[in-house]
Amino acid sequence: QLQLQESGPGLVKPSGTLSLSCTVSGDSISSTSYHWGWIRQTPGKGLEWIGNIYYSGTTFYSPSLKSRVTISIDTSKNQFSLKLNSLTAADTAVYFCARVGAHFYYYMDVWGKGTAVTVSS
Amino acid sequence: SSELTQDPAVSVALGQTVRITCQGDTLRNYYTSWYQQKPGQAPVLVIYGKNNRPSGIPDRFSVSSSGDTASLTITGAQAVDEADYHCQSRDKSGNHAIFGGGTKLTVL
Repeated sequence: QLQLQESGPGLVKPSGTLSLSCTVSGDSISSTSYHWGWIRQTPGKGLEWIGNIYYSGTTFYSPSLKSRVTISIDTSKNQFSLKLNSLTAADTAVYFCARVGAHFYYYMDVWGKGTAVTVSS
Repeated sequence: SSELTQDPAVSVALGQTVRITCQGDTLRNYYTSWYQQKPGQAPVLVIYGKNNRPSGIPDRFSVSSSGDTASLTITGAQAVDEADYHCQSRDKSGNHAIFGGGTKLTVL
């Protein structure tokens, strides 16, 4: 059974960098059928797509976050990671990782439970 | 920028049929996926593409599309269907995901 688990600090300082990891179990992150993505949800609001990565390292980023985001993949650890820099309070959110089907249809079919991140001094 | 618009809230009587809509220019060219989210939980994919439902999703959930509007229909809504529903599709480039603002469904 495929599972995804986010990990990382729950509190980060303004102007700092957020680093999160997503550990995948039950499937290989090197699958050619899927991408791996990050999505966030600000308190009481909708979902915001951050970006995806393919096993080859090819990345796709949200245009609104592109200047601050880096997503990387470590196939040896079956993990992928998110870095978001120049943080402000507006980046306070629950961050989810997900498996993404993006070749024909575009969908996120397996999600992690999410990790809450607060940006505050 | 590409945007998807959803009604903030919709209600339905128990056992009745409800339609939740999602509007956006890119929906003329791309399919929509729909997610159900209950408080404090991660979203769950309920349907994507041409009525593709993941394992375990009941067939009372269906989708349709016309022009720039996609719709999620729940036929015979149950109390367990009370949740937020988010639509998702692609932006104009086709490479990026976009989400609607979500619709809170209340089952009366």
